[in-house]
Amino acid sequence: GEDVEQSLFLSVREGDSSVINCTYTDSSSTYLYWYKQEPGAGLQLLTYIFSNMDMKQDQRLTVLLNKKDKHLSLRIADTQTGDSAIYFCAGETGANNLFFGTGTRLTVIP
Amino acid sequence: DADVTQTPRNRITKTGKRIMLECSQTKGHDRMYWYRQDPGLGLRLIYYSFDVKDINKGEISDGYSVSRQAQAKFSLSLESAIPNQTALYFCATNDGTGGVEQFFGPGTRLTVL
Repeated sequence: GEDVEQSLFLSVREGDSSVINCTYTDSSSTYLYWYKQEPGAGLQLLTYIFSNMDMKQDQRLTVLLNKKDKHLSLRIADTQTGDSAIYFCAGETGANNLFFGTGTRLTVIP
Repeated sequence: DADVTQTPRNRITKTGKRIMLECSQTKGHDRMYWYRQDPGLGLRLIYYSFDVKDINKGEISDGYSVSRQAQAKFSLSLESAIPNQTALYFCATNDGTGGVEQFFGPGTRLTVL
């Protein structure tokens, strides 16, 4: 099956940029996604990128996709304490289902 | 009101007991999913349903069963709970018309002693 890896933890200081990385084994996804999970809540779609793009910017968020290396990253500019959460990258299976990475817990230090 | 609700939010049970987790949605979506989340393992798909008459196994269906009672309701059962089924369980929906987003419920924390 699909294998998606992320670092488990990341700590940054408030105001700095955060970069969360993801590597995957299957390159057949039409879209690749970033979901955010706040404490005690379900996942919410943060952003996504079409697989034929290599970058997408949405306000403080920048998604970079390197299909050759099967590497996806999420950059959060000017990280705030409200950005503290678990971030999951996800791709699609052939049945339009999602496969998720292990999640990266981002801690923002005031 | 939340679009995707799960009941109960927390449950503690004993090994061997039968447990049902329920999911309801008001989004009018055809597709519904059950996932479990374990620390360091991300979310793994248990079962999914594309409409009322459709049930499909996911990555980790052993020990679980589901029922799609109506478009809006999708329940997950553990026939005989065991401790390694202790996890956080999420229900999700998708409109199935090409929309990319899955909408998640708040989760059910299940502990099997």
